[in-house]
Amino acid sequence: EAGVTQFPSHSVIEKGQTVTLRCDPISGHDNLYWYRRVMGKEIKFLLHFVKESKQDESGMPNNRFLAERTGGTYSTLKVQPAELEDSGVYFCASSQVWIQEQFFGPGTRLTVL
Amino acid sequence: AQSVSQHNHHVILSEAASLELGCNYSYGGTVNLFWYVQYPGQHLQLLLKYFSGDPLVKGIKGFEAEFIKSKFSFNLRKPSVQWSDTAEYFCAVRGSGGGADGLTFGKGTHLIIQP
Repeated sequence: EAGVTQFPSHSVIEKGQTVTLRCDPISGHDNLYWYRRVMGKEIKFLLHFVKESKQDESGMPNNRFLAERTGGTYSTLKVQPAELEDSGVYFCASSQVWIQEQFFGPGTRLTVL
Repeated sequence: AQSVSQHNHHVILSEAASLELGCNYSYGGTVNLFWYVQYPGQHLQLLLKYFSGDPLVKGIKGFEAEFIKSKFSFNLRKPSVQWSDTAEYFCAVRGSGGGADGLTFGKGTHLIIQP
């Protein structure tokens, strides 16, 4: 069984540019989560999808971040325009049922210069 | 709001030493508790979890953790560490009765095992 995959693994962009991160959850997992780890800090929850619906987006930092999950399969997280403080590692996780274990992807390391 | 505190940011041990990593959480209701590990170059993976029942839970690779409700703690233990246990360890909590859907993580503990 394939695990959670994320693309790209690394992205380096300049301040003001746009970046789109992609996450493919484990097949059949309705629950998809985005997290972010800024260097030196803890991993922080951003949002939670159940199928294509946003269940909880309480962790999204501001309106420069837009997450979508069309068709309830893969998800994208767009940052527009990117700021320096957006640098960090963005993790995606999925689970079959909300209460169950979350399986994490390898993360996308975003560097904003 | 939930929070998780991991007491040690860096721990260095020799092989065969015993390990205990501290984790305390702050949350007013019923919680689910987790320990995740990230080995160098690999994904975060679940070591063990506590939802209910026996407060002493056993996980993969010989790890165990004890939930002490009165102390809001969920410390991770292993009686004899190996070089392959070198990794970053994360304690996480999720409120089972409400609050944010996601996990709240501690800052992580870098564990280095010297051969």
